Amino acid sequence: DAKTTQPTSMDCAEGRAANLPCNHSTISGNEYVYWYRQIHSQGPQYIIHGLKNNETNEMASLIITEDRKSSTLILPHATLRDTAVYYCIVRVGDAGGTSYGKLTFGQGTILTVHP
Amino acid sequence: ETGVTQTPRHLVMGMTNKKSLKCEQHLGHNAMYWYKQSAKKPLELMFVYSLEERVENNSVPSRFSPECPNSSHLFLHLHTLQPEDSALYLCASSQDSQGRHGAFFGQGTRLTVV
Repeated sequence: DAKTTQPTSMDCAEGRAANLPCNHSTISGNEYVYWYRQIHSQGPQYIIHGLKNNETNEMASLIITEDRKSSTLILPHATLRDTAVYYCIVRVGDAGGTSYGKLTFGQGTILTVHP
Repeated sequence: ETGVTQTPRHLVMGMTNKKSLKCEQHLGHNAMYWYKQSAKKPLELMFVYSLEERVENNSVPSRFSPECPNSSHLFLHLHTLQPEDSALYLCASSQDSQGRHGAFFGQGTRLTVV
């Protein structure tokens, strides 16, 4: 699975949009971009994933560049409860693969939302 | 609430004890996983089960023994652990064995080996 690079930490004011970048310059054509977050001492929470089109759900939006070498997770109106470690993971998502859904976590970005 | 339940939430055990961690999901998922998260380290995949069959074992020591009796339950049996095995143990499940729709994690068991 391709390696990802994320900033170590970011700050965001409550109510503002939080834009978390991720670089994955070695991504392959069949690899998806997944985002998870982990609030302190809890299990990781799935946020969103995408292949090449931008995606949006009730939690966030995912913007993937046209060359797919980077992406941005957007939390449109950050709240204090969004303070967490955010993980960007790139992995094969096609049927018939042998990755069996395993996720390789890096260090992630510590997002701190302040009042 | 993710639909994946782990018990117990906290466990303290001696190095000579035998204990088991339990994970349960009623999401209809076909794949289940054990991850380990040590302090200041990224999550590490330990085991993968697909349709109750172990499909991956990431060089985990034999003192950790997984069991998947059915697609809804996953256990991690522990025996003669070391203090360095103290960590947060996380269970996850995914809809299919490829995890294309994301994996859902439990709250974890905080294990302390004394």
